[in-house]
Amino acid sequence: DAGVIQSPRHEVTEMGQEVTLRCKPISGHNSLFWYRQTMMRGLELLIYFNNNVPIDDSGMPEDRFSAKMPNASFSTLKIQPSEPRDSAVYFCASSLRGRQSYGYTFGSGTRLTVV
Amino acid sequence: SQQGEEDPQALSIQEGENATMNCSYKTSINNLQWYRQNSGRGLVHLILIRSNEREKHSGRLRVTLDTSKKSSSLLITASRAADTASYFCATPLSGGYNKLIFGAGTRLAVHP
Repeated sequence: DAGVIQSPRHEVTEMGQEVTLRCKPISGHNSLFWYRQTMMRGLELLIYFNNNVPIDDSGMPEDRFSAKMPNASFSTLKIQPSEPRDSAVYFCASSLRGRQSYGYTFGSGTRLTVV
Repeated sequence: SQQGEEDPQALSIQEGENATMNCSYKTSINNLQWYRQNSGRGLVHLILIRSNEREKHSGRLRVTLDTSKKSSSLLITASRAADTASYFCATPLSGGYNKLIFGAGTRLAVHP
């Protein structure tokens, strides 16, 4: 398995533009998580899905952020319109949720810069 | 607010020395996990210890868990320059969905 795949690796965009981040989780994993990492706030959980259904989006900072998971192999995180304070590294992670707890597998992240 | 807090924030040692990082958490947990993050990369899962376990080993890693004190420690023995990274503890919030909350991390620098 190639692991969790995120694209793009880097994104530079102008304030006000729409940004879409993509994630392909590990095949067979039924939970998917979007995190944001900044120096000031560390790793923040934005939203997570279980069996493609959004379970908790309380970490999504504003209505400008939205996430979808149309099927088990694909998820997107969209920011519209983007602002400079959205600059961060965005990670997608997947896991197998069952009776036992398992660790997460993280993607390499998307470094977003909004100018 | 963060569930887990690592201590120290930064640690600098020489190759061959042992490195110990600590984590404290606030609420009851059913497991605690440690992750490593190399600069510019994603987090890598190192080890998971369940609440009914007190100690767990994986190669040069040793993790302890004290649920009465709500604390855990990660020991890396015989450190190598390649161990230079940030280390995070993570604990699941209640609710059964394995929703992990990460601490701020310990930055470890191992000098040759």
